[in-house]
Amino acid sequence: DVKVTQSSRYLVKRTGEKVFLECVQDMDHENMFWYRQDPGLGLRLIYFSYDVKMKEKGDIPEGYSVSREKKERFSLILESASTNQTSMYLCASSAPGSAYGYTFGSGTRLTVV
Amino acid sequence: TQLLEQSPQFLSIQEGENLTVYCNSSSVFSSLQWYRQEPGEGPVLLVTVVTGGEVKKLKRLTFQFGDARKDSSLHITAAQPGDTGLYLCAGRGGSNYKLTFGKGTLLTVNP
Repeated sequence: DVKVTQSSRYLVKRTGEKVFLECVQDMDHENMFWYRQDPGLGLRLIYFSYDVKMKEKGDIPEGYSVSREKKERFSLILESASTNQTSMYLCASSAPGSAYGYTFGSGTRLTVV
Repeated sequence: TQLLEQSPQFLSIQEGENLTVYCNSSSVFSSLQWYRQEPGEGPVLLVTVVTGGEVKKLKRLTFQFGDARKDSSLHITAAQPGDTGLYLCAGRGGSNYKLTFGKGTLLTVNP
């Protein structure tokens, strides 16, 4: 069964901490994505990567960075966590091409206190 | 920026009823997808439509892509409690990498 695995389902961090969210996929997909999902705002793209060591900003990259050292792993980094980054974070991967959908992980619910 | 508007935002119905949810845009998409998300989980792909006017069926779910490839609908026949969830449409426009997501329709089917 193909999978996108996010390292934590729930996280609680303190304001100012550096936070790492890890995502691993086993489908050999080129494309990987990080979204956050908030009530009333839907899914918002933070960063995406279409190849190893390649990254592009999404719609809301401020306060975040990413790392993709290996094809299967895409990490989201909150440089200095703030309370407005409390959210559900979703990682996804896809093959290239318009006919392919995303495979999502189960999400990480991050609370910053 | 391409936007996808979904309606209704919320829908609560009784088991056995039929329903339709809509996904509209002023932009043309090369393909459109529908996902269902259950509480505490990530969205799961239901279908991809590519050709204008295309209709796809998945058991009791019928998906249609508009002729102009700007809109789509999802029709559920004889809804069941297991259909409860957040339904998201997502379109792929100029970029081959990124999907634009609508905000979703939260469906509750009561037994």
